[in-house]
Amino acid sequence: GAVVSQHPSWVICKSGTSVKIECRSLDFQATTMFWYRQFPKQSLMLMATSNEGSKATYEQGVEKDKFLINHASLTLSTLTVTSAHPEDSSFYICSASANEQFFGPGTRLTVL
Amino acid sequence: QQQVKQSPQSLIVQKGGISIINCAYENTAFDYFPWYQQFPGKGPALLIAIRPDVSEKKEGRFTISFNKSAKQFSLHIMDSQPGDSATYFCAASSDGNNRKLIWGLGTSLAVNP
Repeated sequence: GAVVSQHPSWVICKSGTSVKIECRSLDFQATTMFWYRQFPKQSLMLMATSNEGSKATYEQGVEKDKFLINHASLTLSTLTVTSAHPEDSSFYICSASANEQFFGPGTRLTVL
Repeated sequence: QQQVKQSPQSLIVQKGGISIINCAYENTAFDYFPWYQQFPGKGPALLIAIRPDVSEKKEGRFTISFNKSAKQFSLHIMDSQPGDSATYFCAASSDGNNRKLIWGLGTSLAVNP
């Protein structure tokens, strides 16, 4: 149990385009989902906390207009990277909370 | 400000040996201390977690030791295997604030065959 999926697992896009990443809790309902960003050989950096039906809470320094988060249901949250640039290239990981956090497999974003 | 300090940054252990990773925290409100294992290109996976009402928790070859007065906790991997080679992260959280995890910087473990 407690499986979290992410789609896509990797994506390559051109600079200036927008990319949407989906995070789903497959076998449980999650009122809270978290979005992280991870650079190579570094720890996870929390970007935002997403609660179902309400606006996401962004961490300091994270541009909310660039990283749009929608948590439309108890099993789905999406992260949209708008007008992506090469510096947005990273490994994006979501987690879904049900007493403890269960992590998705991550999405590798490469912006050319 | 690093609220959870993790050491060492990297660790090399021989097969069959004991791997020990340490973490120290500052916020006494923390009441949940998980350890995560992450393989390259994958998301982290919960390995074992402890709450401050116990001083030790063991699951298979993995043991957490917790010292509340010293505000420290550690992960011990007994009989380390090459398949344990991964990055390990400690974390801490407190009730409220949506259980946001505060992460250590990670330890890269290599177990030599």
